[in-house]
Amino acid sequence: GAVVSQHPSWVICKSGTSVKIECRSLDFQATTMFWYRQFPKQSLMLMATSNEGSKATYEQGVEKDKFLINHASLTLSTLTVTSAHPEDSSFYICSAPRLADDNEQFFGPGTRLTVL
Amino acid sequence: AQKITQTQPGMFVQEKEAVTLDCTYDTSDPSYGLFWYKQPSSGEMIFLIYQGSYDQQNATEGRYSLNFQKARKSANLVISASQLGDSAMYFCAMRSDYSSASKIIFGSGTRLSIRP
Repeated sequence: GAVVSQHPSWVICKSGTSVKIECRSLDFQATTMFWYRQFPKQSLMLMATSNEGSKATYEQGVEKDKFLINHASLTLSTLTVTSAHPEDSSFYICSAPRLADDNEQFFGPGTRLTVL
Repeated sequence: AQKITQTQPGMFVQEKEAVTLDCTYDTSDPSYGLFWYKQPSSGEMIFLIYQGSYDQQNATEGRYSLNFQKARKSANLVISASQLGDSAMYFCAMRSDYSSASKIIFGSGTRLSIRP
């Protein structure tokens, strides 16, 4: 079956540093990937849509300069949290629909970010 | 605007009993898709079932069935013969088929706990 991976699975960083999270589709190509954020005991909130070869589309209220998204190839999207602060601590999950069939979204295992 | 509502923050069910998780939605799009995902404590998102807005029959996948009532805009998940391993968060989600980005929005979730 289709698999989406994320790296790292968890990261702890100091306030003010930047953190990059990778999302890869392992056995299919994805022109579009999605980034979600999930705070403890809450739902997944869509942050942005990552588009291969073009700019990402951000949801209302999400700072594009804070959360930099790059979709450099058909199998890789990266989310960089710039100048991270404790309030950015969250569970970040990416997903990707397979080109041939996007009735199912394949989700990555998530990245838990803790900012000290 | 699209909206997904899950009114049951938590449910307790006896093992082997059937359980229904409620989901209502709101959309002005004539074509859309409805999903249910399971999220265990590990954080991974597990796809359970999909229902297209034009599907004539309710979707079924093993012990999971989706009770789709289009006129009432509800898409309840029914789990038959619940098992201890069913204890998890369950999210109802919707995608507008007119959206080329195929983004999915999620409801607030229901925490299901199965009692032995």
